[in-house]
Amino acid sequence: DIVLTQSPAILSFSPGERATLSCRASQSVSTYLAWYQQRPGQAPRLLIYGASNRATGIPARFSGFGSGTDFGLTINGLEPEDFATYYCQQRITWPRTFGQGTKVE
Amino acid sequence: EVQLVESGGGLVQPGESLRLSCVASGFNFSPYWMSWIRQTPGKGLEWLANIAPDGDDNYYLDSVQGRFTVSRDNARNSVYLQMNSLRAEDTAVYYCARENWYVDSWGQGTLVTVSS
Repeated sequence: DIVLTQSPAILSFSPGERATLSCRASQSVSTYLAWYQQRPGQAPRLLIYGASNRATGIPARFSGFGSGTDFGLTINGLEPEDFATYYCQQRITWPRTFGQGTKVE
Repeated sequence: EVQLVESGGGLVQPGESLRLSCVASGFNFSPYWMSWIRQTPGKGLEWLANIAPDGDDNYYLDSVQGRFTVSRDNARNSVYLQMNSLRAEDTAVYYCARENWYVDSWGQGTLVTVSS
């Protein structure tokens, strides 16, 4: 199975700052990678697909980058509602796998 | 508006069975792959199974292969997860999800607790 490693588990920022989260795959996933946001008590929400494409309705302050094994998610100008947990997920092979998540606090 | 509503969760004893249901609305259900994903504090998010639009293809996570069965009824806009021989480690929130290359819609989740 492809292991996705997100580190660190927790990142601390102030509103308005820029946050960059990382996701590393144990083998190449090309650009078959997505990012999800999960707020407490809610289901995850798709933010980025295909490594760099914003999903419908996602603000432009969210951007994704990377290919192969190294990926990142940047949030430019953190809004209060952006403090949440973020997961990466690959779909190049079965089983689909998720990273363990990075909490932005 | 796309909606996925799960039901059927609850408290069961180890070895027992449970059937989860998910009713979809707000979109044309039949062309989509549908999935079941669970979440625990310890193992995080796990993609358990998915099923093809016409139900003739599916994939399972190794840890549930042979115990869980995914099925669908396109006439009822519904997808199901039959869970047999439940174990304590199956305790989780179970999400129904629409697959559009990635998961672009999630249900609100239903809690399954396996405990004696």
